[in-house]
Amino acid sequence: DSGVTQTPKHLITATGQRVTLRCSPRSGDLSVYWYQQSLDQGLQFLIQYYNGEERAKGNILERFSAQQFPDLHSELNLSSLELGDSALYFCASSGRLAGDNEQFFGPGTRLTVL
Amino acid sequence: AQKITQTQPGMFVQEKEAVTLDCTYDTSDQSYGLFWYKQPSSGEMIFLIYQGSYDEQNATEGRYSLNFQKARKSANLVISASQLGDSAMYFCAIGRDSSYKLIFGSGTRLLVRP
Repeated sequence: DSGVTQTPKHLITATGQRVTLRCSPRSGDLSVYWYQQSLDQGLQFLIQYYNGEERAKGNILERFSAQQFPDLHSELNLSSLELGDSALYFCASSGRLAGDNEQFFGPGTRLTVL
Repeated sequence: AQKITQTQPGMFVQEKEAVTLDCTYDTSDQSYGLFWYKQPSSGEMIFLIYQGSYDEQNATEGRYSLNFQKARKSANLVISASQLGDSAMYFCAIGRDSSYKLIFGSGTRLLVRP
């Protein structure tokens, strides 16, 4: 158990809909990362938040947005969903201890868009 | 920009034998870290080992070791005494360190034969 929790575990929805994925980082970790794993694109970095502020952005679509709240949990919002958004979405966290050479991954949310 | 190349889409190894999974990288950063993660069929991402670019010794963690050749820009993972439970996807990743986004390779699927 990495200490990172993600809900829901599975999500099935229709094209055009909007969903919210939730992540709670390890206790004390200030950084949260979102990654998307799909068959055609592999594992891709989407976005990083550090202590509530956006720190880095990857190949995140404009239809997607994220935020990190004061309690450090994060949400990834996906809107106007398309079939191609079906993927495994991971949240990861890091940063509690100096010299922590690891990003701790949550179990992922599997999104299926029908 | 950073890039990871894993040229072996799939590999077989006999139980109890050692296996090497290849990873080459490209980066313009002077300081960086190389990470290996394991993804079993259940889908979670399990951290295995980390190598910093300035670490003079190759990293080891139990049965995992990292063969780091900086001049050749390679960071191969060596698994000794393979076990059936080692059957999984293995991803190599690069990042400035664990506090920054990770760029992942396409992965290698390892199958351990009894």
